[in-house]
Amino acid sequence: AQSVAQPEDQVNVAEGNPLTVKCTYSVSGNPYLFWYVQYPNRGLQFLLKYITGDNLVKGSYGFEAEFNKSQTSFHLKKPSALVSDSALYFCAAKAAGNKLTFGGGTRVLVKP
Amino acid sequence: GAVVSQHPSWVICKSGTSVKIECRSLDFQATTMFWYRQFPKQSLMLMATSNEGSKATYEQGVEKDKFLINHASLTLSTLTVTSAHPEDSSFYICSEKKASGQETQYFGPGTRLLVL
Repeated sequence: AQSVAQPEDQVNVAEGNPLTVKCTYSVSGNPYLFWYVQYPNRGLQFLLKYITGDNLVKGSYGFEAEFNKSQTSFHLKKPSALVSDSALYFCAAKAAGNKLTFGGGTRVLVKP
Repeated sequence: GAVVSQHPSWVICKSGTSVKIECRSLDFQATTMFWYRQFPKQSLMLMATSNEGSKATYEQGVEKDKFLINHASLTLSTLTVTSAHPEDSSFYICSEKKASGQETQYFGPGTRLLVL
């Protein structure tokens, strides 16, 4: 069975500081990994994905994520956080042909 | 990216009435559509998956007669909550995949349903 864990319910960071949102996964075979962001009362916006290739994936709004196969992790990062990055972030994973499994979400609060 | 719209964005209805939510892909043809439900401060729960022209596949515990899904075309899917009750109040989000073999899902903005 697939599973995704986001160990932190909330991450607080000062504006301008680096932001990291953690995600680990359990998927049979090669994983397809995704990050989405959700603003209040909105659907999910796609940030980035890892399918194959370079372990470091660059996405929208300055976000990037690093695929680490040995640690089964796909942490989301941003070098310098903005107040507007405050939102709910979801990590998701799947094996080819399977349904997408979401983590529980991590709320990010960027303080001015 | 891809644009997915949902209508309405929010709806308030009386208990016992039915509510239809539309999900449209605006700039691509979606072979597969998904309907999710999200409770406050929780993650998304997949309700059902539908392919164009086929019957939807419902997840365990989701009543197919209560949550009617129609995937009439490659750009339109509808979710009808029949005989809605207060416990059906939730945030409903649709999602679509561009084509068979494509793995990225694109999400609509969601519909908030409040049943009084």
